[in-house]
Amino acid sequence: DSGVTQTPKHLITATGQRVTLRCSPRSGDLSVYWYQQSLDQGLQFLIQYYNGEERAKGNILERFSAQQFPDLHSELNLSSLELGDSALYFCASSSHRASSYNEQFFGPGTRLTVL
Amino acid sequence: EDQVTQSPEALRLQEGESSSLNCSYTVSGLRGLFWYRQDPGKGPEFLFTLYSAGEEKEKERLKATLTKKESFLHITAPKPEDSATYLCAVQARGNEQLTFGSGTQLTVLP
Repeated sequence: DSGVTQTPKHLITATGQRVTLRCSPRSGDLSVYWYQQSLDQGLQFLIQYYNGEERAKGNILERFSAQQFPDLHSELNLSSLELGDSALYFCASSSHRASSYNEQFFGPGTRLTVL
Repeated sequence: EDQVTQSPEALRLQEGESSSLNCSYTVSGLRGLFWYRQDPGKGPEFLFTLYSAGEEKEKERLKATLTKKESFLHITAPKPEDSATYLCAVQARGNEQLTFGSGTQLTVLP
């Protein structure tokens, strides 16, 4: 168990809908990262938040957005869903402590199915 | 653009048959190279971080090594429970996100 939690575990929805994925980082970790894993693309970085502020953006679609709250949990919002958005969405967190600040620990993921 | 290529895509070994997985990378200044293990439907599990060429790390039957262009994950006398997908990722200087390879799916047969 990495200490990173994600809810829900599974999500089934229809095209055009909007969903929210939630992530709680490990205790004390300030950074949260969101990744998408699909069969044809592998693990792709979407976005990073550090202590409530957006820090880096990857291949995130305009239909997707995220935020990190004062208690450090994060939410990834996906809207106008398309069939191609079906994937596993992972959240990871890191501590930025000098001894291990580069290491990212992943949650169990949310499997999104768009029908 | 940072790139990570892993080979082979899939590897089947008999229990006890040692082998190596390869991770070739190009990155604009390496901050760290990471190995993860991923079981089907689960999140990647952190294994190792390597920071500089010549560095080696070991954990049970796994040993990771790093050169300026590639990393190897050596598996000694594997067991069926070592079956998983092994992912390699790089972190470039100035960035904190990871760029992943497509993974090597390892199957260890009893």
